[in-house]
Amino acid sequence: DGGITQSPKYLFRKEGQNVTLSCEQNLNHDAMYWYRQDPGQGLRLIYYSQIVNDFQKGDIAEGYSVSREKKESFPLTVTSAQKNPTAFYLCASSLDHRHYNYGYTFGSGTRLTVV
Amino acid sequence: KNEVEQSPQNLTAQEGEFITINCSYSVGISALHWLQQHPGGGIVSLFMLSSGKKKHGRLIATINIQEKHSSLHITASHPRDSAVYICAARFSGTYKYIFGTGTRLKVLA
Repeated sequence: DGGITQSPKYLFRKEGQNVTLSCEQNLNHDAMYWYRQDPGQGLRLIYYSQIVNDFQKGDIAEGYSVSREKKESFPLTVTSAQKNPTAFYLCASSLDHRHYNYGYTFGSGTRLTVV
Repeated sequence: KNEVEQSPQNLTAQEGEFITINCSYSVGISALHWLQQHPGGGIVSLFMLSSGKKKHGRLIATINIQEKHSSLHITASHPRDSAVYICAARFSGTYKYIFGTGTRLKVLA
């Protein structure tokens, strides 16, 4: 079955370290997204990618970086510059972000805790 | 400003009750999603709609474009419906969704 796989499910990081969250999809979707979820807030867009080798900043991109070398993969790196990285991170994909009739498929998320 | 508001924030119901969760948005939209998030965190898309009404099993989603309002109804609620329900709106002329803060539903047996 097609879907999105995020790994790991739980991740602990020491302050000052970079960490990379994995997101892989086998849905043949062009567009992929990274969201951050904090208690009491709606999901906020970090980065999105419309196509391989292209990505755009979302609303809260500072302290994060991404790459899109393959259609299937959109890893997110949380750098030491991110001041408050502890959060739940969700990856999503859609067939084509320009066509609003296409819905999102979400991964199961990664909970990152800075210790 | 593009905004999405949900109500109530928390809802506790007895098994079998009819449940309504509301979502209001500030300006015109091109699409609206209802999502379900279980305690483990994974999100499932329930409905995507831009007009009218959709039904899937015990779930019904409606949208009133003129009133800028959508509702998610659950008929004959069951403890397994306990989850956070999130409304997300894609505003006209934009590429991205704005998410509500969610409604936490608990259905008691």
